[in-house]
Amino acid sequence: SSELTQDPAVSVALGQTVRITCQGDTLRSYYASWYQQKPGQAPVLVIYGKNNRPSGIPDRFSGSSSGNTASLTITGAQAEDEADYYCNSRDSSGDHVVFGGGTKLTVL
Amino acid sequence: EVQLVQSGAEVKKPGESLKISCKGSGYSFTSYWIGWVRQMPGKGLEWMGIIYPGDSDTRYSPSFQGQVTISADKSISTAYLQWSSLKASDTAMYYCVRRAIVGATDLFDYWGQGTLVTVSS
Repeated sequence: SSELTQDPAVSVALGQTVRITCQGDTLRSYYASWYQQKPGQAPVLVIYGKNNRPSGIPDRFSGSSSGNTASLTITGAQAEDEADYYCNSRDSSGDHVVFGGGTKLTVL
Repeated sequence: EVQLVQSGAEVKKPGESLKISCKGSGYSFTSYWIGWVRQMPGKGLEWMGIIYPGDSDTRYSPSFQGQVTISADKSISTAYLQWSSLKASDTAMYYCVRRAIVGATDLFDYWGQGTLVTVSS
């Protein structure tokens, strides 16, 4: 089992705001990164660190962290945001990386 | 432009060996860790291990230690993932990734296109 826990599935109405969470004790020491994966495509980094977006990622994507929980928020979800989202961070040893189990986002 | 270009899809039989590759370009290949990520059919992402091409320092996820070998040839900016004896359970998509560390954050900022490995008798 993963040291990072995500809800398997989340849904949001078009244009509304959705928060996807990632829980794990290591998040008290390390920030999470977030990846979007659409069917048949490689994952893409969308948020890293406290709240940083790589070039080309829309500003409707944002990140936050509190205690053992990291969150990815999409403000004004679009149809093209329907995808799987994964968090990652260090594991409890600090030597390795671990991914969350992923969250399937459906935009209604 | 940073790119990671992986070798093509492979179909192998159980017990066969395999080495897949990932060629980096558009950046200093020896200055960033390169990792490998497995995605089994319909499943999530699993971190396998990582190598620093500058000095070949290699770290493996405990789940993959002894199961695969990660290597790199910095002269041709290429990292490798290899198996000595494939199993059907190795059937998966394999991604190479460039790892960056920003403060207290590990991130995989560039991904290869993936190499599909199918192991079937």
